[in-house]
Amino acid sequence: AQSVAQPEDQVNVAEGNPLTVKCTYSVSGNPYLFWYVQYPNRGLQFLLKYITGDNLVKGSYGFEAEFNKSQTSFHLKKPSALVSDSALYFCAVRDGNRDDKIIFGKGTRLHILP
Amino acid sequence: KAGVTQTPRYLIKTRGQQVTLSCSPISGHRSVSWYQQTPGQGLQFLFEYFSETQRNKGNFPGRFSGRQFSNSRSEMNVSTLELGDSALYLCASSPGLAGAYNEQFFGPGTRLTVL
Repeated sequence: AQSVAQPEDQVNVAEGNPLTVKCTYSVSGNPYLFWYVQYPNRGLQFLLKYITGDNLVKGSYGFEAEFNKSQTSFHLKKPSALVSDSALYFCAVRDGNRDDKIIFGKGTRLHILP
Repeated sequence: KAGVTQTPRYLIKTRGQQVTLSCSPISGHRSVSWYQQTPGQGLQFLFEYFSETQRNKGNFPGRFSGRQFSNSRSEMNVSTLELGDSALYLCASSPGLAGAYNEQFFGPGTRLTVL
């Protein structure tokens, strides 16, 4: 069965420092991977996705993520954090070889400290 | 294009009642998925509809049901409400099946409180 894990419930980063939000996954086929962000009292917004191609994916608001097949990871990164990046981040995976549902992680709350 | 809209935005019900939530996807999107979001459980998948057919279903009791109409609008129904059903219910649409190449577009959610 497919699964996705976000091992950290919360990540604290000082403004201006690089940030990483971790995500690992498990699927039997090819993974389709997504990152979404949720601001308070809002629905989720798409940040970026990996379907195929370059392992480094660039997305909205200066975020990027690296697909690592050997480590089954898809960590979200940003070189310099902004206070406005403070939000709840979700990783999601779907098995590209099966007609199955997309699975979301439990979310990681990112706090950027001024 | 207008975004995904959900109605109502807020709802207060009592135990044992039933509730119907509505979702209008982005024009041209054929897939609508529903999720339950709670602080402790994160985002839990309820079901996905594509061209009026339920394609996938999450691990929720039969009290949770849904349907999709020919114009892709979708409704979700919860019968015999329980206190634990209090949550934010999110709807998401995508052109094709959720996560199959396409990202999803989420609505603002319906906040359901069961007293």
